Amino acid sequence: EADIYQTPRYLVIGTGKKITLECSQTMGHDKMYWYQQDPGMELHLIHYSYGVNSTEKGDLSSESTVSRIRTEHFPLTLESARPSHTSQYLCASKQGQEQFFGPGTRLTVL
Amino acid sequence: AQKITQTQPGMFVQEKEAVTLDCTYDTSDQSYGLFWYKQPSSGEMIFLIYQGSYDEQNATEGRYSLNFQKARKSANLVISASQLGDSAMYFCAMREGWYGGSQGNLIFGKGTKLSVKP
Repeated sequence: EADIYQTPRYLVIGTGKKITLECSQTMGHDKMYWYQQDPGMELHLIHYSYGVNSTEKGDLSSESTVSRIRTEHFPLTLESARPSHTSQYLCASKQGQEQFFGPGTRLTVL
Repeated sequence: AQKITQTQPGMFVQEKEAVTLDCTYDTSDQSYGLFWYKQPSSGEMIFLIYQGSYDEQNATEGRYSLNFQKARKSANLVISASQLGDSAMYFCAMREGWYGGSQGNLIFGKGTKLSVKP
């Protein structure tokens, strides 16, 4: 069973706040991903990492940033949240063929 | 151009019956992988089944099977003996290239919402 964790699960925050969405995995996977998903829509890749100190932007442009200082940790940061950032954010890690997903963070920016 | 197409926004199926969810894909790679994920209302993504482009046999995992028709570029998911707990969004996804030598990034379709009726 995959061990990938995301906190918080739900976050409601005001415009202009800085937020960090946490993602961690205990499986030692090198590859990790962040997806953004609007309700009822497909997932879009916004960031990925192939290992420590490696980060790349995904297919969907995002104002968020990520870091990968440790293998197990891949946090996503929004410096100034806006209502357009309201969405679900899913973190995943990969081993072999399969991507393992975390439970997601539902972000609402008022 | 859209890489993964799921043409059924919503589907209904009677409990205990089989259902097929459609997925077509577009790629010029010879090596690729196709995936199906289930997303319940709680939001997590659950891996169901995988088919590699060079796999000659259709993949099966319990009640899930993947009807892979390479020439037609289709990878339909078949769920046999539907259960109420199967009600969820289902996403088809594709990875282009070999997982070992490529980015391994997935491209997702828009999903199909399956509702199982008692």
